[in-house]
Amino acid sequence: GAGVSQSPSNKVTEKGKDVELRCDPISGHTALYWYRQSLGQGLEFLIYFQGNSAPDKSGLPSDRFSAERTGGSVSTLTIQRTQQEDSAVYLCASSRSGGRTDTQYFGPGTRLTVL
Amino acid sequence: AQRVTQPEKLLSVFKGAPVELKCNYSYSGSPELFWYVQYSRQRLQLLLRHISRESIKGFTADLNKGETSFHLKKPFAQEEDSAMYYCALRITGGFKTIFGAGTRLFVKA
Repeated sequence: GAGVSQSPSNKVTEKGKDVELRCDPISGHTALYWYRQSLGQGLEFLIYFQGNSAPDKSGLPSDRFSAERTGGSVSTLTIQRTQQEDSAVYLCASSRSGGRTDTQYFGPGTRLTVL
Repeated sequence: AQRVTQPEKLLSVFKGAPVELKCNYSYSGSPELFWYVQYSRQRLQLLLRHISRESIKGFTADLNKGETSFHLKKPFAQEEDSAMYYCALRITGGFKTIFGAGTRLFVKA
């Protein structure tokens, strides 16, 4: 079946604009994760969803970042008033149940560039 | 604080040589450790996890709690092993997965 998909694949925006990044997880996966990968850095955990609820938002770097998930499926990561330091690749992953040993399946990422 | 350290940004070896990608973690609880790999133009994918004690594509990794390490090893590197490798830690009772900065492995012919 189809893997995790993300859109857009690339996004260039101006500083101060809002952006929305979309993630379509694997069908039937209840757990969904967002990560950020800045140049030369590892993956930085942003937020985790179990179904539609987000029990762990600890990684969101500021209140400009928010995320939602509807219908236990598609998730949107929104960054308001973007800053240049927000430039990164944003990765989404999903897993079957969110268990500790679950395999996370990653999407191709959205490369965000803030000018 | 939980942390995963991969001390080498780049590791270059000749084909057929042994390879070891180092990973050290900092975590007071019982760790769940993974290695993920990203080949050129492909998605990040799971390579192996410590709980499975498996060998994938000839790679193995042993958890050493005394040294808080989870090094990835392969006795004979192949050119197709060239990729970016990430060590990751999943904490107990939580959902956060902490990734290291990654090591780029380059296997020369």
